[in-house]
Amino acid sequence: QSALTQPPSASGSPGQSVTISCTGTRSDVGAFNYVSWYQQHPGKAPKLLIYELTKRPSGVPDRFSGSKSAYTASLTVSGLQAEDEADYYCSSYAGNNNLVFGGGTKLTVL
Amino acid sequence: QLQLRESGPGLVKPSETLSLTCTVSGGSLVTSNYYWAWIRQPPGKGLEYIGRTYYSGSIYYNSPLRGRVSISVDMSKNQFSLKLNSVTAADAAFYYCARLHMESHHFDYWGQGILVTVSS
Repeated sequence: QSALTQPPSASGSPGQSVTISCTGTRSDVGAFNYVSWYQQHPGKAPKLLIYELTKRPSGVPDRFSGSKSAYTASLTVSGLQAEDEADYYCSSYAGNNNLVFGGGTKLTVL
Repeated sequence: QLQLRESGPGLVKPSETLSLTCTVSGGSLVTSNYYWAWIRQPPGKGLEYIGRTYYSGSIYYNSPLRGRVSISVDMSKNQFSLKLNSVTAADAAFYYCARLHMESHHFDYWGQGILVTVSS
């Protein structure tokens, strides 16, 4: 069982927006803004999408955005494109050098 | 461009030791602000943080594997390594090495991953 809870699946049509949630506790997501999101296409390594809750690395489209409310972080993908179909994982710092991941969400573009 | 590449046996027998190496190219492992980490992913499942090291050897292991795992650094070869002993079928996974930002705790560069199977 993963430390952070994500819905197993999400879907949307091209051009729509989809939000994926990542629920933790007062010890991880609730305590720190060190939440990151990763995109993983089949057979590939994860790729950093969002770090420090809302920041995007160079090269990541601004269609990807992050936010947080209490113990739940969220990743929003706007203007869905076929290439966004992938697995998405959240991660949070949990103090004392520990990092925890979510179980992953499979995003399907209909 | 920084690149990481995992190497090692793809097949390990039960009860034996899994040994993997991550070679860093396009940059130095000897750098402040970053740790060097291992993450694994059983096929079809989620990611699990194994642990990390600083180039000087400051090491952290995630608690579920503590006691069976060790991470070491070879600065002369720009490599860091993972050893996991007494493996079982539950340790079969894709193993990734990655660079971990020290302050904001995100993994910004990943290796391509290596699949390790546990079987006699």
